Amino acid sequence: QSALTQPASVSGSPGQSITISCTGASSDVGGYNYVAWYQHHPGKVPRLMIYDVSNRPSGVSNRFSGSKSGNTASLTISGLQAEDEADYYCSSYASTSPWVFGGGTKLTVL
Amino acid sequence: DVQLVESGGGLVKPGGSLRLSCAASGFSFSGYTMNWVRQAPGKGLEWVSSISDTSSYIYYADSVKGRFTISRGNAKNSLYLHMNSLRVEDTAVYYCARSLDVAAADYWGQGTLVTVSS
Repeated sequence: QSALTQPASVSGSPGQSITISCTGASSDVGGYNYVAWYQHHPGKVPRLMIYDVSNRPSGVSNRFSGSKSGNTASLTISGLQAEDEADYYCSSYASTSPWVFGGGTKLTVL
Repeated sequence: DVQLVESGGGLVKPGGSLRLSCAASGFSFSGYTMNWVRQAPGKGLEWVSSISDTSSYIYYADSVKGRFTISRGNAKNSLYLHMNSLRVEDTAVYYCARSLDVAAADYWGQGTLVTVSS
């Protein structure tokens, strides 16, 4: 069982915006500003999309944004594109473990 | 360009051992915390272990504590994972990843598959 809870799947049409949630506890997501989001196309290498809740690494489109409220972090993708279809994982620092992941969310672009 | 190349995966019987290696290039390896993250077939990402730049700080997931040992050779720009007492549930693709910040990795290797089966 993952420490962080994500919806198993989300979907949206091209051009729309979607949000993926990541729910934890005060001992992880809620207690630290160390939430990251990864995009993972099956068979490829995971790609860091957001770190420290809302920071984008160089080269990541500004269509991707991150936020946090209480024990829940969110990844929003605006202007959805076909190539955004992938699995998305959140992760966080936790008081009990340096790094915990969510179970992953499969994004389908309709 | 930053490159991380894992090796050492393969088929091993339950209770067996394996050593994974990760060769790093294109950056100052000795200045970064490094990590191992795995993904079992059909499952999500799971953090395995982390080691700080000078090996002063080492952490393990509860699922591998006491069985796996992480180490690094800064002179050789290499990261290692010694895996003992392997279990069927350790079957996964093992990724080497460079830390950008706490709980965030900006570069990942292609992964090496470890299969534990009799």
